[in-house]
Amino acid sequence: SQQGEEDPQALSIQEGENATMNCSYKTSINNLQWYRQNSGRGLVHLILIRSNEREKHSGRLRVTLDTSKKSSSLLITASRAADTASYFCATDRGGTSYGKLTFGQGTILTVHP
Amino acid sequence: GAGVSQSPSNKVTEKGKDVELRCDPISGHTALYWYRQSLGQGLEFLIYFQGNSAPDKSGLPSDRFSAERTGGSVSTLTIQRTQQEDSAVYLCASTRGGIYNEQFFGPGTRLTVL
Repeated sequence: SQQGEEDPQALSIQEGENATMNCSYKTSINNLQWYRQNSGRGLVHLILIRSNEREKHSGRLRVTLDTSKKSSSLLITASRAADTASYFCATDRGGTSYGKLTFGQGTILTVHP
Repeated sequence: GAGVSQSPSNKVTEKGKDVELRCDPISGHTALYWYRQSLGQGLEFLIYFQGNSAPDKSGLPSDRFSAERTGGSVSTLTIQRTQQEDSAVYLCASTRGGIYNEQFFGPGTRLTVL
């Protein structure tokens, strides 16, 4: 079953604009990760945020985590055409399940030049 | 260094045939995961190997699916008597193990069952 649910399912923006994607999940987690996928093949890890963290930055990426609302957001600033891809959040429940990621359905981001 | 590699990149088979999918993890990574990505189900966890521990097979959809990891390195996912619903992209990932470690994914094997 899919724990994470992203919204929107699809997002279309112009180059230079910011893109915000949201993820909600159902159970408690150890950490939450965001991945990018191009052309339906291998996933690339973007950022990991631990359950005791509220915000994390990496280059043009900013991730927030609200464990009370069981939600996370990924912000891509000053988007580029090369950011066009599918973005997935994945939760890691930790404990005996650590490393077993549960993925959301993903957000398809299209950045128009 | 080399990333996770998978072979074949594409596999077309007939219903009822067995298939083997291979994953070569990053050298030194102790944990290896198999996931499946299909249109209807999204990305699903299948099986997980960590060091010499017994694998976590909780995500395998049926007993037609099995996997092994030889020498703590290469892994093979075997699907027996393939069905059309097995058509999907099978992704392998490896990590150093432990918590808070990102998973490095291979390019996947696209399996089509006719």
